[in-house]
Amino acid sequence: AQKITQTQPGMFVQEKEAVTLDCTYDTSDQSYGLFWYKQPSSGEMIFLIYQGSYDEQNATEGRYSLNFQKARKSANLVISASQLGDSAMYFCAMRGTQGGSEKLVFGKGTKLTVNP
Amino acid sequence: EPEVTQTPSHQVTQMGQEVILRCVPISNHLYFYWYRQILGQKVEFLVSFYNNEISEKSEIFDDQFSVERPDGSNFTLKIRSTKLEDSAMYFCASDTSWTFSGNTIYFGEGSWLTVV
Repeated sequence: AQKITQTQPGMFVQEKEAVTLDCTYDTSDQSYGLFWYKQPSSGEMIFLIYQGSYDEQNATEGRYSLNFQKARKSANLVISASQLGDSAMYFCAMRGTQGGSEKLVFGKGTKLTVNP
Repeated sequence: EPEVTQTPSHQVTQMGQEVILRCVPISNHLYFYWYRQILGQKVEFLVSFYNNEISEKSEIFDDQFSVERPDGSNFTLKIRSTKLEDSAMYFCASDTSWTFSGNTIYFGEGSWLTVV
């Protein structure tokens, strides 16, 4: 079965600093995708960044980058130059084709607090 | 940008009542999903729907739940005889055929269900 592990229940960072949110995954699929979502206190799920298992380069989207280490099965999110508005829950998720399913499997999330 | 819309944004219902949550997926999408997030917990897969039938469902999705696409545009989740533990945020998502090349899944803003 696919599994996502986020070991940091909460993280604190100073405004303008960079922060890394950890994510490890487990799957027997050869092809899979890794996702990060931001969930502010208002509740919506905001897609941040995607990394495919065959992508050779780490994904980047503005201040977000994904540190993909396939052999270690890790997909850490790096947020550069943190802003107060980055304070939110962050969820790592994956999808593959195990058993024909393409559902997303989520981790438990990390609550990020950006301090001024 | 295309979007998935969900109604209602928040519903309060008496225990034992039936609830219908509605979703309008993106028009050319083929795959539809419902996910659930109990307050403070991770997002959990409920059900996926393709070609007018359920393609996969989780252990959570028991006989109390049903889905349908009654008119080719709306995608509904019905919860019969609601229980206190059904209180959660319910997310609808829609998707094109996934090719592992990027993110293709779009989430709605969620429907908060409170059972009292």
